[in-house]
Amino acid sequence: DTGVSQDPRHKITKRGQNVTFRCDPISEHNRLYWYRQTLGQGPEFLTYFQNEAQLEKSRLLSDRFSAERPKGSFSTLEIQRTEQGDSAMYLCASSPGDFDSGANVLTFGAGSRLTVL
Amino acid sequence: QKEVEQDPGPLSVPEGAIVSLNCTYSNSAFQYFMWYRQYSRKGPELLMYTYSSGNKEDGRFTAQVDKSSKYISLFIRDSQPSDSATYLCAMSGRTYKYIFGTGTRLKVLA
Repeated sequence: DTGVSQDPRHKITKRGQNVTFRCDPISEHNRLYWYRQTLGQGPEFLTYFQNEAQLEKSRLLSDRFSAERPKGSFSTLEIQRTEQGDSAMYLCASSPGDFDSGANVLTFGAGSRLTVL
Repeated sequence: QKEVEQDPGPLSVPEGAIVSLNCTYSNSAFQYFMWYRQYSRKGPELLMYTYSSGNKEDGRFTAQVDKSSKYISLFIRDSQPSDSATYLCAMSGRTYKYIFGTGTRLKVLA
């Protein structure tokens, strides 16, 4: 297993354009998370999936943001009509989801950095 | 009050020093205590974690959890310039939520 993969690593776009990020989690993990991180801050929770079901969305996730995880494998995060305030690192992470395993920790991907001009 | 508090630093130490990084928390239900290392413009890398309580050692790194004081620590022995990064603590309990500190910036001077 190669860990959590994210694509693209860096995206530069003009304000008003749509962007999509992809995440491939660790294959045996059933929970998948999206976070946003800005400079000097810890990761901020956006949303998470258990298998294909999106179970929680943060208030940070405006209606311009949508996330999917079809078939409970990879996930996409789309931002429509991007704004300069959307510039950030978008982090995907996955976890086993088994509280009692002693190993229910979060593993991150390398992140997708978005720059909105 | 935030659920997890972490001093943002920056913390500058000479090469070879012992580094102590700390977080405090308020939620007694936390069971998992994680430390991540994050280099500039990269994703967080899981460094160590502890389940429930106690200490864990891995090479130059030691993670400690004191549940009675709601305090966790990461010690780095014989610090190297390559250890210069931001260190994030994170915690979780029997929920889907992982709560992060803001990160401590560490600079190890050669």
